[in-house]
Amino acid sequence: ETGVTQTPRHLVMGMTNKKSLKCEQHLGHNAMYWYKQSAKKPLELMFVYSLEERVENNSVPSRFSPECPNSSHLFLHLHTLQPEDSALYLCASSQEGYTEAFFGQGTRLTVV
Amino acid sequence: AQKITQTQPGMFVQEKEAVTLDCTYDTSDQSYGLFWYKQPSSGEMIFLIYQGSYDEQNATEGRYSLNFQKARKSANLVISASQLGDSAMYFCAMRERSDSWGKLQFGAGTQVVVTP
Repeated sequence: ETGVTQTPRHLVMGMTNKKSLKCEQHLGHNAMYWYKQSAKKPLELMFVYSLEERVENNSVPSRFSPECPNSSHLFLHLHTLQPEDSALYLCASSQEGYTEAFFGQGTRLTVV
Repeated sequence: AQKITQTQPGMFVQEKEAVTLDCTYDTSDQSYGLFWYKQPSSGEMIFLIYQGSYDEQNATEGRYSLNFQKARKSANLVISASQLGDSAMYFCAMRERSDSWGKLQFGAGTQVVVTP
C-alpha cells in the first residue's frame, strides 16, 4: 500500500461543476499539504493542515475549499473553477520537523 | 522573493555519465533542511535525498549525492552513472526552522533527459 494516495488521478470538469479531490496517507504523519503545480511555474503551496487544523492558507481563492476530517484524510472541494485552475494538484504529508514530505501521485485537473 | 533558485531549465546527459544539477537557496535561518525530489512524467514527487544545515558531511543515497556548500548557499545534486530511468524533472526544496508548519519551498525545477 503506497504511503500517500490521491484520487482521482485525472479529472475534467466544467466551470459550473462541483467536485472533490481526495488524499489519504498511511504514514502516521501529523501534517498534510495541498500544492498546485501549473505549467512552467514552481510548486505553489495552497493549504497546510497540522493535527487536522488548518494552519495556513496562501491566499487561495474561495472556490477551493479544503477539509481535513482526521489525520489520515484530506480533501479539496472545488466549485465554479476557472480554466486557469487547470493544473496538477499534489497532496503531501510529513511529520512536523525536518523530515521529508511524501507526495501522492497527484490529480491532473482540466477545467473546460 | 524566490528562495530556491535552479538556473538550468533543461539538461541532456548520456547514459552512464554523471550530471550535476544546480541549486542555490536564500534563508536567514541558521537551521534548515534541503531536499531533492524527482518528478517523472507520471506526476508523483519522489524524495531522493536530504541535507541538514548542521550536517558536516555531504549526504549520499546510492547514486545520488548532494554537494553542500553552506557559505555559498548551494546544494547541488550529483547523479552518477545516469540511467534512462533518470529522465525526469528534478526539484530542489528547502524547509526553514522558523516555519512552524514545516512547509517545503520549491525551485522551478530542471528537466533531465538521459540519452542512450
